[in-house]
Amino acid sequence: QLQLQESGPGLVKPSETLSLTCSVSGDSISSRTHHWGWIRQPPGKGLEWIGSIFHSGSTSYNPSLKSRVTIYVDTSKNLISLKLSSVIAADTALYYCARCGQTYYYGSQTPPNWFDPWGQGTLVIVSS
Amino acid sequence: QSALTQPRSVSGSPGQSVTISCTGTASDVGGYNYVSWYQQHPGKAPKFMIYDVSKRPSGVPDRFSGSKSGNTASLTISGLQAEDEADYYCCSYAGRYSVVFGGGTKLTVL
Repeated sequence: QLQLQESGPGLVKPSETLSLTCSVSGDSISSRTHHWGWIRQPPGKGLEWIGSIFHSGSTSYNPSLKSRVTIYVDTSKNLISLKLSSVIAADTALYYCARCGQTYYYGSQTPPNWFDPWGQGTLVIVSS
Repeated sequence: QSALTQPRSVSGSPGQSVTISCTGTASDVGGYNYVSWYQQHPGKAPKFMIYDVSKRPSGVPDRFSGSKSGNTASLTISGLQAEDEADYYCCSYAGRYSVVFGGGTKLTVL
């Protein structure tokens, strides 16, 4: 059973770079059926898609964060990583990683667009 | 890419049905049949409930159903139960391998 677990520093100073990792167990992140996403949730607020990385290695980022975000995988460690630069207080949130799934229909497939399973999330506070 | 619009809250009594709407544009909800829904209990990670507008992953009760008309998707929960009280989020494919979430709806079971 696929399981994901986020980790990283709980406190980051303004203007610095937030770095998180997502450890995947239960399958290889290199599997052709797996794509991955990062989603965040500010305290008391809704979900916001940060970006996704696909089996091909290509990425897609939320336009509002694109200039500051990098997502990449480390296949040797079965990890997905997130870097968010120049953080501000508004980046304070619970950060989730999730498998980004797609559906296969009669020889065709949808673009990856749904998320399951999710990690338990890791809280990052941006403060000096 | 603006967040999809959901009502902030809905409520219903046990046994009743409730519907949560999710309104987007022709560039997301209206343009693709790739809407998913998530249930989130306090302090927990979101749970995958519906995909491709109306399909249920295994293990999700058939009391949960999804539909779409134009730029608005809907999640209907029938036979409301106390454990359905949670926040619900919609998510739509928005082209170019991007997605957008709704603002979330708090469901209260009276």
